[in-house]
Amino acid sequence: DADVTQTPRNRITKTGKRIMLECSQTKGHDRMYWYRQDPGLGLRLIYYSFDVKDINKGEISDGYSVSRQAQAKFSLSLESAIPNQTALYFCATSESTLETQYFGPGTRLLVL
Amino acid sequence: RKEVEQDPGPFNVPEGATVAFNCTYSNSASQSFFWYRQDCRKEPKLLMSVYSSGNEDGRFTAQLNRASQYISLLIRDSKLSDSATYLCVVNMDNYGQNFVFGPGTRLSVLP
Repeated sequence: DADVTQTPRNRITKTGKRIMLECSQTKGHDRMYWYRQDPGLGLRLIYYSFDVKDINKGEISDGYSVSRQAQAKFSLSLESAIPNQTALYFCATSESTLETQYFGPGTRLLVL
Repeated sequence: RKEVEQDPGPFNVPEGATVAFNCTYSNSASQSFFWYRQDCRKEPKLLMSVYSSGNEDGRFTAQLNRASQYISLLIRDSKLSDSATYLCVVNMDNYGQNFVFGPGTRLSVLP
């Protein structure tokens, strides 16, 4: 079984809808992250969490919110989806801020 | 200036060739450095960490030059399976979360 899982893997939604992307990990890491990837751009950090009680905004948090329900679960919500949020979304975990990150398989989101 | 920049690519090389990628970063206080590999439509996966003394893993060699703020990745004896996008990743501080990803360099190894 994969260490980091994401659901759904693909999603099509309409402008204005609220959607949630979910991430679960079995690595026992405290640190979890949400990124988005757009063609020709590097991954950009949306939110990150160092533990259940610690949530921090990343580079591009506007239009997004997160919830850290447990050490193993970190959800990303788009409150009112817009077309420029169409992207590939990755969840990642790490053991510490200096260590490598482990990525989930990604969620491909299309906002019409 | 972007925080992490990479050769734009794409690099198209024949099997068996040696290819090198460069990456530059803007923050001289950066603490840790990585090369990730990303296959088309898949998640990034760690290829190797980059240490100050340089490190080698089989056909792959990574170098760090702190004075010039660049990182390199050398691939020897390229295989078809090396075709992917290579991402340079720099962690720019010790305290917060500041992993910065470069835009990637695409490599195609041709038969």
